Amino acid sequence: NAGVTQTPKFRVLKTGQSMTLLCAQDMNHEYMYWYRQDPGMGLRLIHYSVGEGTTAKGEVPDGYNVSRLKKQNFLLGLESAAPSQTSVYFCASSLDRENQPQHFGDGTRLSIL
Amino acid sequence: DAKTTQPNSMESNEEEPVHLPCNHSTISGTDYIHWYRQLPSQGPEYVIHGLTSNVNNRMASLAIAEDRKSSTLILHRATLRDAAVYYCILRDFRDFGNEKLTFGTGTRLTIIP
Repeated sequence: NAGVTQTPKFRVLKTGQSMTLLCAQDMNHEYMYWYRQDPGMGLRLIHYSVGEGTTAKGEVPDGYNVSRLKKQNFLLGLESAAPSQTSVYFCASSLDRENQPQHFGDGTRLSIL
Repeated sequence: DAKTTQPNSMESNEEEPVHLPCNHSTISGTDYIHWYRQLPSQGPEYVIHGLTSNVNNRMASLAIAEDRKSSTLILHRATLRDAAVYYCILRDFRDFGNEKLTFGTGTRLTIIP
């Protein structure tokens, strides 16, 4: 089983460039999440989705946009990348039932120069 | 949100049991205790969760204090593969539909061969 797959695994951008990170899950999960992890810190929630066509803001949403056009995909967009967005980005998904564990991808390492 | 406190780091010998503590003195009656771990260069991985009673699964055991103000994750026989950062997280089951995990900085577990 593939589980949660993130594309790309690594990327270097220049300040002001835009890009989209793709997250795909094959477990038919309703809920999907985007987190970022900075050195020495735990993960912080950027945006999440509780179903196809719905999105909501997390703890640190500024500078990011998301879309959930298909149930299996959750896209994270950076319209104008800034050095402060250099981080490791993790996508996760879970079933839409109480206290279900979240399943994480292996992350995308993004550097903004 | 109720917070958790964990030691920054711990060491243990291979093939010995490991007890990872977590303090959550402000826990509410609706908070579940969840544990995740993050191996190097990977996304977090669900380990176990519980509410009041001790819990066991194939990966670990969770011992919850009677007053629920602390808990201990127990790895019965540590292997080198168990070297990771372990996160203790509280999730309020009333947040169903507004799911998020709030990660702290966790405990970095080192296994000594």
